[in-house]
Amino acid sequence: GENVEQHPSTLSVQEGDSAVIKCTYSDSASNYFPWYKQELGKGPQLIIDIRSNVGEKKDQRIAVTLNKTAKHFSLHITETQPEDSAVYFCAARSMDSNYQLIWGAGTKLIIKP
Amino acid sequence: KAGVTQTPRYLIKTRGQQVTLSCSPISGHRSVSWYQQTPGQGLQFLFEYFSETQRNKGNFPGRFSGRQFSNSRSEMNVSTLELGDSALYLCASERTGGTGELFFGEGSRLTVL
Repeated sequence: GENVEQHPSTLSVQEGDSAVIKCTYSDSASNYFPWYKQELGKGPQLIIDIRSNVGEKKDQRIAVTLNKTAKHFSLHITETQPEDSAVYFCAARSMDSNYQLIWGAGTKLIIKP
Repeated sequence: KAGVTQTPRYLIKTRGQQVTLSCSPISGHRSVSWYQQTPGQGLQFLFEYFSETQRNKGNFPGRFSGRQFSNSRSEMNVSTLELGDSALYLCASERTGGTGELFFGEGSRLTVL
């Protein structure tokens, strides 16, 4: 079945710098890759997603890139701000997992002032 | 538009007891999924319900069960609680025919003593 690995588990960056979180997946049939942000005391919230027919997608300061050959996808946050501090989860969905999302273990992003 | 509502938000139980958690999805959403979240383990899928039928099930023991009512509200039950069941239980709803985005509640934090 699908397996998603996420790195790093903790990432500390200076405010204004960029942050990159990487995920790898095992199932080449996976075709949907969302990223969720979970703030303290709240449930995860979708921030951006990408489908397998696209290599990159941007939304203001956030972008996701997908490399299907290498089976990895990354979240890029530019010009980080204090409100970007949160836990970020990647996930992958494939027919082989009965279309269920398989989640990475999460990355705690800390923005230093 | 009201979000996903989970009750209770916090509860403490002792080993051997059972617990029932409730989830009210966003109005019009017929799919409800349940996840267990523990530190370092990410989000573990429990089960998904759609129109009162369990559509998918994760790899959890039979002590974990759920159901969905005709108004799409869902409950999950854990019987014979173990210390390892201490976790944040998250419910998410999804719009039929939507983009695949999950809308999460704030979770029910269960502590088993």
